[in-house]
Amino acid sequence: EPEVTQTPSHQVTQMGQEVILRCVPISNHLYFYWYRQILGQKVEFLVSFYNNEISEKSEIFDDQFSVERPDGSNFTLKIRSTKLEDSAMYFCASSEAAGGPYEQYFGPGTRLTVT
Amino acid sequence: GQNIDQPTEMTATEGAIVQINCTYQTSGFNGLFWYQQHAGEAPTFLSYNVLDGLEEKGRFSSFLSRSKGYSYLLLKELQMKDSASYLCAVMDSNYQLIWGAGTKLIIKP
Repeated sequence: EPEVTQTPSHQVTQMGQEVILRCVPISNHLYFYWYRQILGQKVEFLVSFYNNEISEKSEIFDDQFSVERPDGSNFTLKIRSTKLEDSAMYFCASSEAAGGPYEQYFGPGTRLTVT
Repeated sequence: GQNIDQPTEMTATEGAIVQINCTYQTSGFNGLFWYQQHAGEAPTFLSYNVLDGLEEKGRFSSFLSRSKGYSYLLLKELQMKDSASYLCAVMDSNYQLIWGAGTKLIIKP
């Protein structure tokens, strides 16, 4: 069964450093998403991406964040100048189309720890 | 503002039935999803409702009332592996998923 993959599974970085989280969505999916889940808290939408551009973004997704699809398979989230409060699990997801009933398939997540 | 409410934690017995409720207030509605999330893992899709009524899928069923802004997830014949968090998420008018905080379900033998 096709699945979304993410690397690395765990990333430790120092405050102020830049990190790039990588995702490979399911190959025939057209919509890609990034979510964040701080430990013990709810999942939060960051951004959706379609046709090589951002389609929606949340208030969390400020100038510190950027997304890119550098080639035909990878989808990346870059966080510039990381802060302690960026420590969270970051999930990538993909779907065939936007909206229901098209479920979003989630990757296993990258745990980001900012020290 | 947008708000999704669900109980923080519920406890049930193996083999029994449990109903997890979710109420929502969102800007627009394009469907309601239920996801299961085991600790430290990614959410996995359980069900989707966009019209009023009950959707049944094996041991799991989900109900929606749009006029009441209400849904529930019904789990039957509970198994120990059903111990997890159950997340209610509503797709708003911008096709963004707005998530509840999740209900941690504890199954006891």
